[in-house]
Amino acid sequence: NAGVMQNPRHLVRRRGQEARLRCSPMKGHSHVYWYRQLPEEGLKFMVYLQKENIIDESGMPKERFSAEFPKEGPSILRIQQVVRGDSAAYFCASSPRRQTSYNEQFFGPGTRLTVL
Amino acid sequence: AQSVTQPDIHITVSEGASLELRCNYSYGATPYLFWYVQSPGQGLQLLLKYFSGDTLVQGIKGFEAEFKRSQSSFNLRKPSVHWSDAAEYFCAVGQNNDMRFGAGTRLTVKP
Repeated sequence: NAGVMQNPRHLVRRRGQEARLRCSPMKGHSHVYWYRQLPEEGLKFMVYLQKENIIDESGMPKERFSAEFPKEGPSILRIQQVVRGDSAAYFCASSPRRQTSYNEQFFGPGTRLTVL
Repeated sequence: AQSVTQPDIHITVSEGASLELRCNYSYGATPYLFWYVQSPGQGLQLLLKYFSGDTLVQGIKGFEAEFKRSQSSFNLRKPSVHWSDAAEYFCAVGQNNDMRFGAGTRLTVKP
């Protein structure tokens, strides 16, 4: 059973370009979470999605950032018109369908975005 | 609002010495508490978690943590550190699919 997959592992973009980060959750997991880790900082929650639904996007910047988790295929975190301040590591985590009050999150290896 | 504080940004210990990493949390109810480890360039690996019951929890790689409600703490300990333990350690609090992470403590191990 493969773990959470993220690609690409490293992404370089110039200012103004678009960045697309992909996350394939673990098999059987229907919840996906995106986090951003800035240098010298911990992980900051961005968005929580279930299939075809955004459940909580309270951590997402209001502009240029969007996320989706379609019925088929991976979850996508999209950053439009990237700026240097978007340079960070972006982590995806997944958890199974909620059956109890809490489900553990399993983390992917991350995508390291560098904006030139 | 829930929050997690890791007071120590960077800790250096000698190989074979004991280790304690501090974590304090703020949460309205009994929290779910976690410790993760992140090696350079890698994702997060769960070391241990506390949901309820025994306040001393055992994790992987010889780590343990103790939940102290009166102090709102969940400190991570290891009796004898190995060079391979050098990494970044994150404490997290979460409930109902909502997690908040501390800023992390970087552990350096001296030979």
